[in-house]
Amino acid sequence: DTGVSQDPRHKITKRGQNVTFRCDPISEHNRLYWYRQTLGQGPEFLTYFQNEAQLEKSRLLSDRFSAERPKGSFSTLEIQRTEQGDSAMYLCASSSFRGTGDEQYFGPGTRLTVT
Amino acid sequence: GNSVTQMEGPVTLSEEAFLTINCTYTATGYPSLFWYVQYPGEGLQLLLKATKADDKGSNKGFEATYRKETTSFHLEKGSVQVSDSAVYFCALSDPTGGFKTIFGAGTRLFVKA
Repeated sequence: DTGVSQDPRHKITKRGQNVTFRCDPISEHNRLYWYRQTLGQGPEFLTYFQNEAQLEKSRLLSDRFSAERPKGSFSTLEIQRTEQGDSAMYLCASSSFRGTGDEQYFGPGTRLTVT
Repeated sequence: GNSVTQMEGPVTLSEEAFLTINCTYTATGYPSLFWYVQYPGEGLQLLLKATKADDKGSNKGFEATYRKETTSFHLEKGSVQVSDSAVYFCALSDPTGGFKTIFGAGTRLFVKA
């Protein structure tokens, strides 16, 4: 297994454009998370999937953000009408629930720059 | 709500010095506690964890003990190396607070040869 992968690694877009990021979790993991990380801060939770069901969304996830996980495998995060404040590192993580202590495995992130 | 507070960095140490990075938390339930590390140019990776009070997590010479009475989970290492230079994040996962993991702001560590 090659770990969590994310694509693209870097994205530069103009304000107002739509962008989509992809995350491929570790294959046997049923939980998938999206986080946003800005410079000098820790990751902030955006949303969580268990299999294909989106079970929790942060208030940070405005109407312009949508995430999907069809068939409980890879996930996509789309940002519509990007704004400069959306510039950040978007992290994906996956885990396999084992009762307690949800250890998450992180991908390398997608760095978004909105100009 | 749940939160994590960790000491501000950067922390600069000489090789073989003792390291402590303080972390305190607020949680409504009985959280699991974690330290994650981010090496330069790499993704976040789990360093150690503890799932209940008085548990000690340890890995690569790092240790942290889950102290419920002081709501703390301080990271320690007896002798740091240059290769330990990274950003360290304290985090908690509390099922009563939902499924998310809450991270601290991170502490950057520089180790000089």
